Amino acid sequence: DAGVIQSPRHEVTEMGQEVTLRCKPISGHNSLFWYRQTMMRGLELLIYFNNNVPIDDSGMPEDRFSAKMPNASFSTLKIQPSEPRDSAVYFCASSSPTGTGEKLLFGSGTQLSVL
Amino acid sequence: SQQGEEDPQALSIQEGENATMNCSYKTSINNLQWYRQNSGRGLVHLILIRSNEREKHSGRLRVTLDTSKKSSSLLITASRAADTASYFCATDDDYKLSFGAGTTVTVRA
Repeated sequence: DAGVIQSPRHEVTEMGQEVTLRCKPISGHNSLFWYRQTMMRGLELLIYFNNNVPIDDSGMPEDRFSAKMPNASFSTLKIQPSEPRDSAVYFCASSSPTGTGEKLLFGSGTQLSVL
Repeated sequence: SQQGEEDPQALSIQEGENATMNCSYKTSINNLQWYRQNSGRGLVHLILIRSNEREKHSGRLRVTLDTSKKSSSLLITASRAADTASYFCATDDDYKLSFGAGTTVTVRA
């Protein structure tokens, strides 16, 4: 397995533009997480899907952020409109829980810069 | 919210020395995990210790857990330049993990 695959690797956009980040979890994993990492706030959980259903989106900063998981092998995180304060590294991670809080496998992240 | 807090924030050691970092957390847990992050990369899972375990080993890594003190430590023995990275503890809150701010370890050749 190639691991969790995220695209793009880097994204530079202008304020107000729509940004879409993509994630392909590991085949067979039924839990998917989107995290955001910044120097100031560290790693923050944005949203958690289980069996393609959003279970907890309490970490999504505001309505400008939305996430979907149309099938078990694909998820998107969209920011519309983007703002400079959204600049961060966005990680997708997946796991196949047999219990609570099992280990996560992370993608390489998308470095987002909003100018 | 960050439940785990690592200490120290940064650590610089000579190759061959041991590196120890600590993690404190606030609420009860089912398990505690340690992850490594190399610069510009995603996090990599290192080790998971369950609440009923006190110590666990994996290669050059040794993790301890003291649930009475709500703390854990990660020891890296005989460090190598390749161990240069940030190390994070993560505690489970039901289905999700909360990560600390991390300890940045620099191993000097």
